[in-house]
Amino acid sequence: AQTVTQSQPEMSVQEAETVTLSCTYDTSESDYYLFWYKQPPSRQMILVIRQEAYKQQNATENRFSVNFQKAAKSFSLKISDSQLGDAAMYFCAYFRYNNNDMRFGAGTRLTVKP
Amino acid sequence: DSGVTQTPKHLITATGQRVTLRCSPRSGDLSVYWYQQSLDQGLQFLIQYYNGEERAKGNILERFSAQQFPDLHSELNLSSLELGDSALYFCASNPQGAGGYTFGSGTRLTVV
Repeated sequence: AQTVTQSQPEMSVQEAETVTLSCTYDTSESDYYLFWYKQPPSRQMILVIRQEAYKQQNATENRFSVNFQKAAKSFSLKISDSQLGDAAMYFCAYFRYNNNDMRFGAGTRLTVKP
Repeated sequence: DSGVTQTPKHLITATGQRVTLRCSPRSGDLSVYWYQQSLDQGLQFLIQYYNGEERAKGNILERFSAQQFPDLHSELNLSSLELGDSALYFCASNPQGAGGYTFGSGTRLTVV
């Protein structure tokens, strides 16, 4: 079964600084998607960024970018110019199309210090 | 508004009772997924429906059941409730063939 591991239960960053959240996953598949979701205190699950495994180029969404290392099965999230509103739980997720089932990591709680 | 609608937003009930959580997926999405998130925990996959049929099952208790209706809305039924069933229950949907879910805002269930 596919597993997703987030090894950092908690991280903190100074406002305006950059932070990187780690994620590794286990799969024997070659075609899949990877995601980062943000869950602020409101508990709403918000899609931050997605990466198709067949794409070599790393996805970027404004201040959020990923470092996708397919061979290493690593998918880290970099948040640049951190803002107070970035404080949240961040979940890494793996999705395999044929299985149609998304697996989530345990999450990383990000604190942003003013 | 994500387009996935969950009702009710909050539910408080007593142990041993039965409740029904409702989810309407985004317009055009055929799949509905249910997840359970206990306090400060990750998301546990419960069950998936696709166009009215059960497609995948996760760690769903026998006391829980779900169905998807012809209009594609889904209901999650939780019976013989226990204190440990207190959690946030999410519904999500996605278009056929697409990766990534859109989540509803969740139903917070408190069993007292």
